Amino acid sequence: EPEVTQTPSHQVTQMGQEVILRCVPISNHLYFYWYRQILGQKVEFLVSFYNNEISEKSEIFDDQFSVERPDGSNFTLKIRSTKLEDSAMYFCASSDGDNQPQHFGDGTRLSIL
Amino acid sequence: QKEVEQNSGPLSVPEGAIASLNCTYSDRVSQSFFWYRQYSGKSPELIMSIYSNGDKEDGRFTAQLNKASQYVSLLIRDSQPSDSATYLCAVNFLNSGYSTLTFGKGTMLLVSP
Repeated sequence: EPEVTQTPSHQVTQMGQEVILRCVPISNHLYFYWYRQILGQKVEFLVSFYNNEISEKSEIFDDQFSVERPDGSNFTLKIRSTKLEDSAMYFCASSDGDNQPQHFGDGTRLSIL
Repeated sequence: QKEVEQNSGPLSVPEGAIASLNCTYSDRVSQSFFWYRQYSGKSPELIMSIYSNGDKEDGRFTAQLNKASQYVSLLIRDSQPSDSATYLCAVNFLNSGYSTLTFGKGTMLLVSP
């Protein structure tokens, strides 16, 4: 069964550094998403991406964050100047339609020291 | 404020019993509803999607939707210890052009042998 893959599984970074989280969505999906889950809290929407542009973003997704689809398979989340409070699990998801079920990757655990 | 509310639990049921999980949502402009299962430290796994009022059955799972009451539920028949997890209700709220998936905090289900 097709799946969303994310790398790395765990990223440890010093505060103030930049990180790039990578995702390979399901191949025939056109809608891509990033979510964040701080330990013990709910899954929070960050951003959705369709047709090579951001379609929706949340209040969390400020100028510190950016997304990119650098080629036909990868979808990346860049976090600039990381802060301690950016420590969380980051999930990538994809779907074949705006209102359709989203399938999640295994996540990247980001730890900011 | 678009919110999805769930009882955090834990909901404890014996093996073989029916587990009933409930969710309410705050906004009427919503088109699709999902139940995800999340094991500790893992990513959300899609269980059910439901789009119209009524019941939808898939194996041991039944999702129920009542848009007038802004209520969606999940029934798990013949509960197994392997069903022990946190169950996340998620609602696609329609925004200006695209929808965004909003999650509840989840209900922890414990199935005892």
